[in-house]
Amino acid sequence: GAVVSQHPSWVICKSGTSVKIECRSLDFQATTMFWYRQFPKQSLMLMATSNEGSKATYEQGVEKDKFLINHASLTLSTLTVTSAHPEDSSFYICSASPPQYWGDEQFFGPGTRLTVL
Amino acid sequence: AQKVTQVQTEISVVEKEDVTLDCVYETRDTTYYLFWYKQPPSGELVFLIRRNSFDEQNEISGRYSWNFQKSTSSFNFTITASQVVDSAVYFCALHGGSEKLVFGKGMKLTVNP
Repeated sequence: GAVVSQHPSWVICKSGTSVKIECRSLDFQATTMFWYRQFPKQSLMLMATSNEGSKATYEQGVEKDKFLINHASLTLSTLTVTSAHPEDSSFYICSASPPQYWGDEQFFGPGTRLTVL
Repeated sequence: AQKVTQVQTEISVVEKEDVTLDCVYETRDTTYYLFWYKQPPSGELVFLIRRNSFDEQNEISGRYSWNFQKSTSSFNFTITASQVVDSAVYFCALHGGSEKLVFGKGMKLTVNP
């Protein structure tokens, strides 16, 4: 159990376009989902915490208007990179936590590699 | 503030060698969890272990072992008789009362045949 999927696994887009990444918890309900960004050879940096039915909480320095997060159901959160630019090229990873989460490991998706030309 | 430090950035060993990955953490929380993750070239994070702050027992799982020392705020990871398949980036992470998982910078392990 505890499988998290992401779609797409990779995407290439032109500068200025918007890209949507989906994160799904396949076999459990996730009241909380997390979005991370990982640049090459660097660590994972938390971008935002997504709570079902409410607005996401963004980390300092992350532009809310650029990285739109929607957590409309207990099994789906989406990250939309609006007006993407080459500097947004990165590996985006989501994770999900069951409702009883505290201290339990977050279940990570396989990641989405975004390349903006 | 929570912080995880992995001093080693890259290690290269020959197959069958033992290797220890160091992790030092900082937190003001009395209750917290420590994790190790493996990230192979494919990118997907693989969960290896979770340890809570009240359990200082060392753990062994096959060729993997972990040494948790609260006195030195360390949670080191040892791979015994390393194999080529162990080549990956390994992350140590900390989760305290802030509900955020904080990662170290990662350590790239290369195991050569």
